[in-house]
Amino acid sequence: DTGVSQDPRHKITKRGQNVTFRCDPISEHNRLYWYRQTLGQGPEFLTYFQNEAQLEKSRLLSDRFSAERPKGSFSTLEIQRTEQGDSAMYLCASSLASGGQLLDLAKNIQYFGAGTRLSVL
Amino acid sequence: DQQVKQNSPSLSVQEGRISILNCDYTNSMFDYFLWYKKYPAEGPTFLISISSIKDKNEDGRFTVFLNKSAKHLSLHIVPSQPGDSAVYFCAASRELYSGGGADGLTFGKGTHLIIQP
Repeated sequence: DTGVSQDPRHKITKRGQNVTFRCDPISEHNRLYWYRQTLGQGPEFLTYFQNEAQLEKSRLLSDRFSAERPKGSFSTLEIQRTEQGDSAMYLCASSLASGGQLLDLAKNIQYFGAGTRLSVL
Repeated sequence: DQQVKQNSPSLSVQEGRISILNCDYTNSMFDYFLWYKKYPAEGPTFLISISSIKDKNEDGRFTVFLNKSAKHLSLHIVPSQPGDSAVYFCAASRELYSGGGADGLTFGKGTHLIIQP
């Protein structure tokens, strides 16, 4: 299976602890996205990488959150001093850039992993 | 302020009939729209997309219609099958404005489609 892979699938932690999640995108994809999904809501955009550069961050990404993609391949999302409100599904997606032309958007489809479910007690 | 709205939390359709899922958006800068399907404990799976230069895109049993003046899109599934039972998310992005989806997708809250035998 060469889809987007996320690890771990589930994480239970105590409030105040740090957690780190990993995402392995589809191998030829140069773009990687992180989203958060809470119960009854759609996924919400957190941040985006083009190769190793983090180009965009949502206002949802507080300073306790940090994401890296050091070699332009896998990415990690770290949450420091977790709070109960951080409990959610964290989704990773990847895509292949097409240059933003509306006629060529088939390559801009984002493919999602199965997610990491975080529970903060 | 929800920029992408799916006003029906759930929809029940008989097997073999047409399922129509609706989505409205408020941001006129959205120029690319996608539908994703999600089963429990899995990530969203891409179904079909449409860019703002088109008003219809078809792929097998799935057709997406876009009405830009009404800021409305719909997904038609015909005929509906039991395996179509899932949560369907409508998503939008600003491809040209952001230089290619750089500000991520904006999702609706989803519609739970139930196909009854």
